[in-house]
Amino acid sequence: EAGVAQSPRYKIIEKRQSVAFWCNPISGHATLYWYQQILGQGPKLLIQFQNNGVVDDSQLPKDRFSAERLKGVDSTLKIQPAKLEDSAVYLCASSLGQGYVSGGYTFGSGTRLTVV
Amino acid sequence: GENVEQHPSTLSVQEGESAVIKCTYSDSASNYFPWYKQELGKRPQLIIDIRSNVGEKKDQRIAVTLNKTAKHFSLHITETQPEDSAVYFCAASKISGGYNKLIFGAGTRLAVHP
Repeated sequence: EAGVAQSPRYKIIEKRQSVAFWCNPISGHATLYWYQQILGQGPKLLIQFQNNGVVDDSQLPKDRFSAERLKGVDSTLKIQPAKLEDSAVYLCASSLGQGYVSGGYTFGSGTRLTVV
Repeated sequence: GENVEQHPSTLSVQEGESAVIKCTYSDSASNYFPWYKQELGKRPQLIIDIRSNVGEKKDQRIAVTLNKTAKHFSLHITETQPEDSAVYFCAASKISGGYNKLIFGAGTRLAVHP
């Protein structure tokens, strides 16, 4: 099966600029997650979608981060304006989302964001 | 809130030795515990997982044990090889109604020396 697709792979922006990341999950996966992985740390959940609805966005800095999954498939994550501490790898993951998860999440390759 | 602690942060072993990584979790309702391996610059990849109704699971050189009472679980890698060198993350979640929010540990950098 095709994996989780993410783009771009790398992005360098200046602080206060805006940036957007795109994710296409595995076909048929109802649940989509965005994680932030700061260098040397474990991934931290930013937002979780079930189809096109938000399940959990409790750790999303809503003053600057936004995400959408309008048609229940692709998703975009936006940061506006970016801060230096937003430098991280942004990982998208998907899962079937039905009862017990078989095989856990499948992660995309991530987008490495550097804010200068 | 939910928290997963992982130890050690770095681990160095000689090829052929065993490696053990330990994690503790705070939410007693957690029922799913996967382990991910992340090589430099690559995505985390699931290597083994265990559910709360099982105490131990093994897959070739990798095994995971779970102690629900103590709220800790461990990854055991036997006969380590240089290609096992990577960062390993444990995670815990409470699967309910199809929702699965993984809380990750901080990671263990494993170095296997030939």
